[in-house]
Amino acid sequence: DQQVKQNSPSLSVQEGRISILNCDYTNSMFDYFLWYKKYPAEGPTFLISISSIKDKNEDGRFTVFLNKSAKHLSLHIVPSQPGDSAVYFCAASPYQGGSEKLVFGKGTKLTVNP
Amino acid sequence: EPEVTQTPSHQVTQMGQEVILRCVPISNHLYFYWYRQILGQKVEFLVSFYNNEISEKSEIFDDQFSVERPDGSNFTLKIRSTKLEDSAMYFCASRPDRGPYEQYFGPGTRLTVT
Repeated sequence: DQQVKQNSPSLSVQEGRISILNCDYTNSMFDYFLWYKKYPAEGPTFLISISSIKDKNEDGRFTVFLNKSAKHLSLHIVPSQPGDSAVYFCAASPYQGGSEKLVFGKGTKLTVNP
Repeated sequence: EPEVTQTPSHQVTQMGQEVILRCVPISNHLYFYWYRQILGQKVEFLVSFYNNEISEKSEIFDDQFSVERPDGSNFTLKIRSTKLEDSAMYFCASRPDRGPYEQYFGPGTRLTVT
């Protein structure tokens, strides 16, 4: 039951270029979306989030876009840096008035080449 | 910067043995979570905990699992009789009482059941 899908297991970009990571979801109850970055042997690190009432949220080099009608979100990293090389997880949360568990995608491994 | 900590970083146990994984959430957070990631798979929700009781649990979280907040700082996950398929990275996460809904993850405990 893949409610959150990241169809690209890997992505390779050149330093300085834009990285675009994509995520699709199927559950209409999701109303909050997050991106996490994960290095090997570490826990997921929160990167950026977006509420379903918005279509864009920007934080420095990171921008998340949400297309509710298409049930699609994307993370843009501009410019990409070698230190951005990590696995990026898309996660979604339904509002449940309490626990707001996160449902994760399988992740996309980003490699930024110098 | 406050962070979630977990101990031990790696636990090796024999099938059928009990294990306790420990977490210290961020001090002013009130929602606590356990997730796990089996090698090569996505991060999966196990259980959420608020106000000294379980808010929600997944199908994975059966009678072999239990959680406890024994004091004001620790949050533990107990597996009573471990199985080979319990081998995974276990992540603890926490978030404050009010929004935003970002959860902050610890570095994880690698559980190996032999």
